[in-house]
Amino acid sequence: DTEVTQTPKHLVMGMTNKKSLKCEQHMGHRAMYWYKQKAKKPPELMFVYSYEKLSINESVPSRFSPECPNSSLLNLHLHALQPEDSALYLCASSQIWTGNQPQHFGDGTRLSIL
Amino acid sequence: QQQVKQSPQSLIVQKGGISIINCAYENTAFDYFPWYQQFPGKGPALLIAIRPDVSEKKEGRFTISFNKSAKQFSLHIMDSQPGDSATYFCAARGNTGTASKLTFGTGTRLQVTL
Repeated sequence: DTEVTQTPKHLVMGMTNKKSLKCEQHMGHRAMYWYKQKAKKPPELMFVYSYEKLSINESVPSRFSPECPNSSLLNLHLHALQPEDSALYLCASSQIWTGNQPQHFGDGTRLSIL
Repeated sequence: QQQVKQSPQSLIVQKGGISIINCAYENTAFDYFPWYQQFPGKGPALLIAIRPDVSEKKEGRFTISFNKSAKQFSLHIMDSQPGDSATYFCAARGNTGTASKLTFGTGTRLQVTL
């Protein structure tokens, strides 16, 4: 079992729906990340939060909206997604953003857009 | 310069054999090199990592060899087992600026046969 917990494990939504992905860690990590992974590809960084502040946005479309309510929680709000957004969405955390701290990944949310 | 090149794309090894996966990088600002193992339906799990001040690191059956002058590093899996069948990603990261983001290789699908 991973120490980064993601819910739901699977999500199917229409292009007009609004849904949210949730990520939780209780390791005291102060950096949290969202990645997108397509089949047979490596994870691609989307967002980085450091001490609950957004540090990096990799030019992600505004239909993806991240939120970090506290140091243990990370959400990804989804609205008006496109079929090409179907992918595995991974959350990760590390002690801090800098200093080459290892990143620990959750098992992801498998998202399908109809 | 941010790329990490990984080979081979896929690998079939007999049980008990040695699996070898190679990676090369260009960015001299990279100073942390982790390997991740990913099983189907799961997130990437940190396997082993190395910093460039050492040439080799061993953990159980897994060994990283690092050649700083050639900007290459490799993962060796000794006595490969069917349970090692997974996708392996090398990665690299630096301490500052754009190098702070974890850059993944393209992945190697390993199949260990009986």
